[in-house]
Amino acid sequence: QKEVEQDPGPLSVPEGAIVSLNCTYSNSAFQYFMWYRQYSRKGPELLMYTYSSGNKEDGRFTAQVDKSSKYISLFIRDSQPSDSATYLCTMFSGGYNKLIFGAGTRLAVHP
Amino acid sequence: DGGITQSPKYLFRKEGQNVTLSCEQNLNHDAMYWYRQDPGQGLRLIYYSQIVNDFQKGDIAEGYSVSREKKESFPLTVTSAQKNPTAFYLCASSGEFDQPQHFGDGTRLSIL
Repeated sequence: QKEVEQDPGPLSVPEGAIVSLNCTYSNSAFQYFMWYRQYSRKGPELLMYTYSSGNKEDGRFTAQVDKSSKYISLFIRDSQPSDSATYLCTMFSGGYNKLIFGAGTRLAVHP
Repeated sequence: DGGITQSPKYLFRKEGQNVTLSCEQNLNHDAMYWYRQDPGQGLRLIYYSQIVNDFQKGDIAEGYSVSREKKESFPLTVTSAQKNPTAFYLCASSGEFDQPQHFGDGTRLSIL
């Protein structure tokens, strides 16, 4: 079993839709959680970063962490074609002393 | 503008050849990292360095080597011992080891 499971998609939605991207993980020692967005042929860029269970909002993006269920989500409201990218969930493991990445979900938002 | 610069964007390697990928950062970060990204897989850690003149192997270090002679620079050499080098290589840095990492725009390496 992988430490982090992420549905690879592709996920195709119409412009304006609410998008839900999800990851599950197996190691309860993961300490903090991030979402990166990666456009084609580019490096990942940090979108959201949170330590604790609960919700964190930044503009159209909301990150949700449920440590008891080992489940994290990223919600995108009013999705735009410019949101079309691959989204990587990432966790920091103090035990392994490194970031663990999901394989990424490809999102396509069509006009 | 602060950031991480990787060069070249595209690189071709011949059989038996070593190639070096450049990574420079002007973020004044102590920690730097090299990852390999293959289709359908998460990023895999090759090497990391928490401080100048020190570096550690990651999960897939075989066939790769690094140096960290300056804080700003962390070059990666893909040696001829790496039998499957075709991939997208990403360099990253962070202020402290347990902080979020910032990435460059990658180098795509292919075999000729």
